[in-house]
This record gives sequence, C-alpha cells and structure tokens, in this order.
Amino acid sequence: DTGVSQDPRHKITKRGQNVTFRCDPISEHNRLYWYRQTLGQGPEFLTYFQNEAQLEKSRLLSDRFSAERPKGSFSTLEIQRTEQGDSAMYLCASSLGTGLMSTQYFGPGTRLTVL
Amino acid sequence: DQQVKQNSPSLSVQEGRISILNCDYTNSMFDYFLWYKKYPAEGPTFLISISSIKDKNEDGRFTVFLNKSAKHLSLHIVPSQPGDSAVYFCAASGGSGGSNYKLTFGKGTLLTVNP
Repeated sequence: DTGVSQDPRHKITKRGQNVTFRCDPISEHNRLYWYRQTLGQGPEFLTYFQNEAQLEKSRLLSDRFSAERPKGSFSTLEIQRTEQGDSAMYLCASSLGTGLMSTQYFGPGTRLTVL
Repeated sequence: DQQVKQNSPSLSVQEGRISILNCDYTNSMFDYFLWYKKYPAEGPTFLISISSIKDKNEDGRFTVFLNKSAKHLSLHIVPSQPGDSAVYFCAASGGSGGSNYKLTFGKGTLLTVNP
C-alpha cells in the first residue's frame, strides 16, 4: 500500500510566477487536506476536501491560492503571482472514514522557495 | 492565539531512558489528539492518537496520556532509542462544523536521544 505522494518535492520560482503542486492520496481515502509549514512552526491548515467537494478553507488561503480535487482522487494546489512570503513546505494529507476521528497521513511535502 | 502549545522547544535524553514530551491545549472542543514525528525534509509520520473518552493509549514503546481537566497530554517513549531523534508534533482536532476535521498543531519539540 503506497502512502501519500506529492510532486514536485522541491520548487524554486521567481516572485510573480504561478506554481502548481500535485498530491496523490492513499487509495480509497475520501478526505484530503492541505497544510503549510514554515520554519519553526507546526503545520497550519489550509483547506480540506471530502471526495471532490472542498468543504473548508482557512483564512490563510488568500485569493491567489486555489485548490481542486477533480473526481475525488488527486488534488492540485495552485498559487498565482507568488510572493516571497509564500516560501514554505506545502504538505498534503489524506484520511479514510465517515467519523470525526480519522487519522491523517501525510505526504513528504513540496518545498517552495520564492526568490 | 495558539490553541496547542508545546512549551519545550527541545529535549535531550540518554538512550534507554524515558522521554516525556508535553503538550497543552486551550480549546475545550478538541476531542481527538495525535502525535506525529518528523525528520528533516520529510512529512510528519503518525505515531499514536487518543480520543477524549480515554486517558491512556499504548502502542509498543509509545504511550500517550490525556488529562482533560488540565487540558494536558504527554507522550512517553520507553526505552528511548537514537532513531527516535526527531521533531515531535502534538496535534488536535474537534469542534463544530468543518472544524472537526482540521488538525491544529503545536510548534514541535526536538528530541535528541544520545547513545
């Protein structure tokens, strides 16, 4: 059973460029989450999908950020007009279940550096 | 405001001894708590969890204790091994609506186990 995978692992871009990250969750997991982690902090919640529906978005997710999960499988996170403050590790997690207490399993993350 | 707090940025223990990592929370709606371990340049790895209806959960060398009245949980690792050296994150979920699903993390504690 493969875990959560993310692509790319590293991305260096110039300020103002658009970037897109992909996350493939564990097979059959119906829930998918995006988090962002900066140096010295714990991961911070960005958004959450149940199947293909985006059910919650954090106030951290500005208008420049958009996430999709077409067909309820893989997900993409796009950042438009990147800023230096967007530099962070972007983590994807997935979980299975209909109950409230389902364990989230994380991918290796995408490290974004905005120059 | 930080709803999950790990007040010790670092902890150093000798191999074979007990490691105790602490976590405090302020949101009384949290009802599911998890510990994750993270190596540099990797995503968090799930270790152990506990629901608010329990006060203890054990899995091999790892035990998590929950004191709801004090809003405090701790992770015990016995015996500690050099491979346990990593950053440990405490996380919590719970609340109303969509907030049930997102995890709120502490800032992490760097554990170093010395041979």
